[in-house]
Amino acid sequence: GESVGLHLPTLSVQEGDNSIINCAYSNSASDYFIWYKQESGKGPQFIIDIRSNMDKRQGQRVTVLLNKTVKHLSLQIAATQPGDSAVYFCAEIPGGSNYKLTFGKGTLLTVNP
Amino acid sequence: KAGVTQTPRYLIKTRGQQVTLSCSPISGHRSVSWYQQTPGQGLQFLFEYFSETQRNKGNFPGRFSGRQFSNSRSEMNVSTLELGDSALYLCASSLSARESYGYTFGSGTRLTVV
Repeated sequence: GESVGLHLPTLSVQEGDNSIINCAYSNSASDYFIWYKQESGKGPQFIIDIRSNMDKRQGQRVTVLLNKTVKHLSLQIAATQPGDSAVYFCAEIPGGSNYKLTFGKGTLLTVNP
Repeated sequence: KAGVTQTPRYLIKTRGQQVTLSCSPISGHRSVSWYQQTPGQGLQFLFEYFSETQRNKGNFPGRFSGRQFSNSRSEMNVSTLELGDSALYLCASSLSARESYGYTFGSGTRLTVV
């Protein structure tokens, strides 16, 4: 039968604007979270991570915020550039001995010049 | 420093055949994980190996199997291919699967089953 494509949330911004990409995670036992960027034809590329004992972590032009109360992650990209156009995924790893990443659906970010 | 290398990049197979995909992790990385990416299901975990031992397995049928060698290189095998196995298969490596800098992914193998 016909396969239904994954409906990705989309975000379109102007070059130079700040972007905020949101993610709701599912497992309250998750203690490690990672944001990935995936460009067409490539594998996911690590952007930034955060552990559950932190609320915020900053990298170069990126900030991740974690709200454990509502199980929500956000990725903020400052001064968005055309090269930031990609699909962004959040991923979680539960605590304990579970060694797998559980990925969210992804958000397609388009940066308009 | 070389990244995660997956071979081949592209494969076309016929239903019923089997296929073997290869992954060479970053030097020194001992954990290798495999993921399947499709438009319908997104990124789904297949299995994870550390020091030649499978530590975790996702919800895939037994047709999907893998192994890891003493040099940490890993292979995954899919037997009796079905059309629905068409996907991008991604391999990720890390030192021990819970490192602060996260997993590093390869560019994947694009498998098409006809």
